Amino acid sequence: DIQMTQSPSSLSASVGERVTITCRASQDISSYLAWFQQKPGKAPKSLIYGASSLQSGVPSKFSGSGSGTDFTLTISSLQPEDSATYYCQQYSRFPPTFGQGTRLEI
Amino acid sequence: QVQLQESGPGLVRPSQTLSLTCTVSGGSISSGSYYWSWIRQPAGKGLEWIGRIYTSGSANYNPSLKSRVTMSIDTSKNQFSLNLTSVTAADTAVYYCARVIFPFFFDYWGRGALVTVSS
Repeated sequence: DIQMTQSPSSLSASVGERVTITCRASQDISSYLAWFQQKPGKAPKSLIYGASSLQSGVPSKFSGSGSGTDFTLTISSLQPEDSATYYCQQYSRFPPTFGQGTRLEI
Repeated sequence: QVQLQESGPGLVRPSQTLSLTCTVSGGSISSGSYYWSWIRQPAGKGLEWIGRIYTSGSANYNPSLKSRVTMSIDTSKNQFSLNLTSVTAADTAVYYCARVIFPFFFDYWGRGALVTVSS
């Protein structure tokens, strides 16, 4: 299985700042990479697919980049409601696998 | 907007079968070229994909669970289901259902159902 490694595992930031979360795949996954946001007790929300395409309805403060093995999720103009755990997921190879998550505290 | 809701027993005895159902609303489970998936998350751990099923009933499972998993779909009820046999404490987790855009992009998720395996 492809291993997905996220860093950092947690981070703290202030309102208005910008943060970047990194995801690394154990092998080349081209651009078959998605990002999700998960808040306690709520359904995970898809943010980005194809490494950089914004899911419908997701604000442009979220952006993704990368290809191959290295990817980033950037969140700008942080607000308290952005506090959540963020996951990356590869869907290049079977079975799909997820990163361990990055907990963001605002 | 599509919504998914998991339902089923919150407590399952060891060696028994875990059964969950996902009810889809806001759209037909048969419309579009979507698959439907189950994903789980043990407490404090990462997400693990369990399997996916198409409206035809064709299913694919994670090799790590394949021997114990069966998924089914009922288009008349707009539901799909998960059966996991011979459960142990290691199967204790929050189980999510999700809609899948081929091959494995999960665009809509349910809120999750906690299933505890304990005697």
